[in-house]
Amino acid sequence: DTGVSQNPRHKITKRGQNVTFRCDPISEHNRLYWYRQTLGQGPEFLTYFQNEAQLEKSRLLSDRFSAERPKGSFSTLEIQRTEQGDSAMYLCASSVPRDRTSGNTIYFGEGSWLTVV
Amino acid sequence: EDQVTQSPEALRLQEGESSSLNCSYTVSGLRGLFWYRQDPGKGPEFLFTLYSAGEEKEKERLKATLTKKESFLHITAPKPEDSATYLCAVQMNYGGATNKLIFGTGTLLAVQP
Repeated sequence: DTGVSQNPRHKITKRGQNVTFRCDPISEHNRLYWYRQTLGQGPEFLTYFQNEAQLEKSRLLSDRFSAERPKGSFSTLEIQRTEQGDSAMYLCASSVPRDRTSGNTIYFGEGSWLTVV
Repeated sequence: EDQVTQSPEALRLQEGESSSLNCSYTVSGLRGLFWYRQDPGKGPEFLFTLYSAGEEKEKERLKATLTKKESFLHITAPKPEDSATYLCAVQMNYGGATNKLIFGTGTLLAVQP
């Protein structure tokens, strides 16, 4: 198990273009999260999936943002009509429900850096 | 409003100089408090989860403690490789409806040899 995998690691795009990021969670982790982080700030929650169901979305997730998790495995985060304010690191995380042995551990990937020029 | 505040924003230590980082929180019902380490350009690396006041967890030179209003990350005899940003996050108990983490802005730790 290699942990949470995110691709691409870096993306530079022109304003107005669409971008898509992919996240492969740790195998058998049924919970998947997307966060966004800007320089000097902590990660901000965007959305949460349990299996294939998107159970929670932040108001930060505008109409230009959409996330999917078909079949409850990998997930994609698409940003349409990118704006300079979308420049940030997009983080994916995964976990399993807390139990007595493993506790509640949420593991993050290395992130996908987006620069909108 | 649910809030997480970390202090100090930045801390510079000499190698071997022990210190503590603080994370205070105001949330209505705590499910868990998380500590992460983040190196520049990388994703957060999980360190600890604490669930109830009085709980303590240790890993190498790090020990995390929890009270009803705050958590401390104690660093004993730090080494230069402990230099990183340390993030604190809380997970609230909204009757099971959410699993999101609310993060503080982190403490940037620099350990000089």
